[in-house]
Amino acid sequence: AQSVTQPDIHITVSEGASLELRCNYSYGATPYLFWYVQSPGQGLQLLLKYFSGDTLVQGIKGFEAEFKRSQSSFNLRKPSVHWSDAAEYFCAVVMDSSYKLIFGSGTRLLVRP
Amino acid sequence: KAGVTQTPRYLIKTRGQQVTLSCSPISGHRSVSWYQQTPGQGLQFLFEYFSETQRNKGNFPGRFSGRQFSNSRSEMNVSTLELGDSALYLCASNSWTGREQYFGPGTRLTVT
Repeated sequence: AQSVTQPDIHITVSEGASLELRCNYSYGATPYLFWYVQSPGQGLQLLLKYFSGDTLVQGIKGFEAEFKRSQSSFNLRKPSVHWSDAAEYFCAVVMDSSYKLIFGSGTRLLVRP
Repeated sequence: KAGVTQTPRYLIKTRGQQVTLSCSPISGHRSVSWYQQTPGQGLQFLFEYFSETQRNKGNFPGRFSGRQFSNSRSEMNVSTLELGDSALYLCASNSWTGREQYFGPGTRLTVT
């Protein structure tokens, strides 16, 4: 079955440290790939997307993600985390011609001062 | 450009009642998707509308329905509410150029 896996439920990093959030998908072809962030009580904000082309994509708020076809992964990175980055992060994919997003279970990021 | 608007933001209903949630997409977007978010099941796709037609539907019972109007505004309805319908309901406005989905703030539904 098509699925998205975010193996880390919680991640804690110190402010200023680098961050990598993992995402793997299960699908025969390359899907459309997205990362969203959700602050408590809020909707989802689109950080970045990958459709094709350059496998390293830049997003908002200093985030980037790298698509690796061989590993079916789309990991999110940030070189230096700020306290305001504390939130829940969702990886999502669209695996067909629809707009049906399939979400991972999310990773909650905590930032130590 | 105004973002996605969802009303109401919070709602408390009793089991057995029905509820209607509203979503106004970004101007120019003709496709709207709805998602349910719960702690147990996470984010799940409900349905997607384009030009007043439902194009895709998720795996939810028939108590969940929706519609879209000619101005692209969309409503979703849940009839005969159950406790398990308590959730954050998110509407997304879909870009036809790049498949991005822009989410509204959500409607928090509590069923008692």
